[in-house]
Amino acid sequence: DQQVKQNSPSLSVQEGRISILNCDYTNSMFDYFLWYKKYPAEGPTFLISISSIKDKNEDGRFTVFLNKSAKHLSLHIVPSQPGDSAVYFCAASDSGGGADGLTFGKGTHLIIQP
Amino acid sequence: NAGVMQNPRHLVRRRGQEARLRCSPMKGHSHVYWYRQLPEEGLKFMVYLQKENIIDESGMPKERFSAEFPKEGPSILRIQQVVRGDSAAYFCASSLMNTEAFFGQGTRLTVV
Repeated sequence: DQQVKQNSPSLSVQEGRISILNCDYTNSMFDYFLWYKKYPAEGPTFLISISSIKDKNEDGRFTVFLNKSAKHLSLHIVPSQPGDSAVYFCAASDSGGGADGLTFGKGTHLIIQP
Repeated sequence: NAGVMQNPRHLVRRRGQEARLRCSPMKGHSHVYWYRQLPEEGLKFMVYLQKENIIDESGMPKERFSAEFPKEGPSILRIQQVVRGDSAAYFCASSLMNTEAFFGQGTRLTVV
């Protein structure tokens, strides 16, 4: 039973436009959410996180939105750039922010087209 | 300031052999986590260790898999008597308490 779901295996967006990556979760005990970016043959790189006490967190071109009632979060990238092409993993934790027992989604492959 | 270092990057083992994967955390980090990514899957948590202690091994298969993080030296993930289904990318991450984890580049294990 997948507790963190990324229902879009891939997403294609034109350069300069907004990329929206979605993530749903089922475990109401999750209180901390993270997004990781992964290039082929490399380890995941931390991108941005949000605590369940917030509904939005911004860092430059990246914004994460959390809708607790819908158990849904999304990552917005504006504007999208070619270097953003990668696999994006949504992850959730019930341990208050530590990396122990992070539950990952299967990832969404974002392709930025010129 | 080196990041999380994993070696080897690629490891080929025949069925029945042992695989040893090493992870050196970032300087100053005493929390180490191992994750496994099977083909077409997301990362799955395996084990969380601090120096000389296993904190949470709820994601570890009950047999053939073990992990340690000794007082000196890297963390080791050990897989005995490997089978084809163990073929995967194994990622190590480290963190300070209650901060984001930083991942290594992974070890790709292929069992032939």
